[in-house]
Amino acid sequence: KAGVTQTPRYLIKTRGQQVTLSCSPISGHRSVSWYQQTPGQGLQFLFEYFSETQRNKGNFPGRFSGRQFSNSRSEMNVSTLELGDSALYLCASSFRQAGDEQFFGPGTRLTVL
Amino acid sequence: AQSVTQPDIHITVSEGASLELRCNYSYGATPYLFWYVQSPGQGLQLLLKYFSGDTLVQGIKGFEAEFKRSQSSFNLRKPSVHWSDAAEYFCAVGSPYGGSQGNLIFGKGTKLSVKP
Repeated sequence: KAGVTQTPRYLIKTRGQQVTLSCSPISGHRSVSWYQQTPGQGLQFLFEYFSETQRNKGNFPGRFSGRQFSNSRSEMNVSTLELGDSALYLCASSFRQAGDEQFFGPGTRLTVL
Repeated sequence: AQSVTQPDIHITVSEGASLELRCNYSYGATPYLFWYVQSPGQGLQLLLKYFSGDTLVQGIKGFEAEFKRSQSSFNLRKPSVHWSDAAEYFCAVGSPYGGSQGNLIFGKGTKLSVKP
């Protein structure tokens, strides 16, 4: 069974631009969570979508947003990019049952210049 | 506040030696506990998880972890380390309540180096 896929794998943007990242979950998984990973802050939860609805949200500014489609694919968008947004963005999918494992994708490496 | 502490940022062990990576958590209830591994340029792979029951949990690649409620700890162990185990290891906690599974809280990670 195919794993979680994320596109693109690498991205270079300049300050002020916006970016959209995509995540395709494992077939049958309806929950998609997004995480930001940086050397300084580690892995931080951004938000989770389940059945096209945002269920949980981390402590990030409103420039970070997301959505989920009816096929469970998810996108996250970052507007007005800042240098500090440079990070590895990881997406994870699960069935969202109690205690479920989250399966992670390889991530999108975003560099903001 | 909910948090996960991995006190060791970097550990170096010799190949064939035993390994223990420490993890302590702060949570309102007994959470679900996970250990993930990340190789350079890769996503996270689950090594093992604890939900309830036997406090010694077996995982993949020969890893095990022991949950100690009194110490709020979930330490990862391996009796004999292989060079391919060099990676970064993350301890994480998740909510034990149904419907709140999307938010894992991670520790800052422990980078493992293996000497030949």
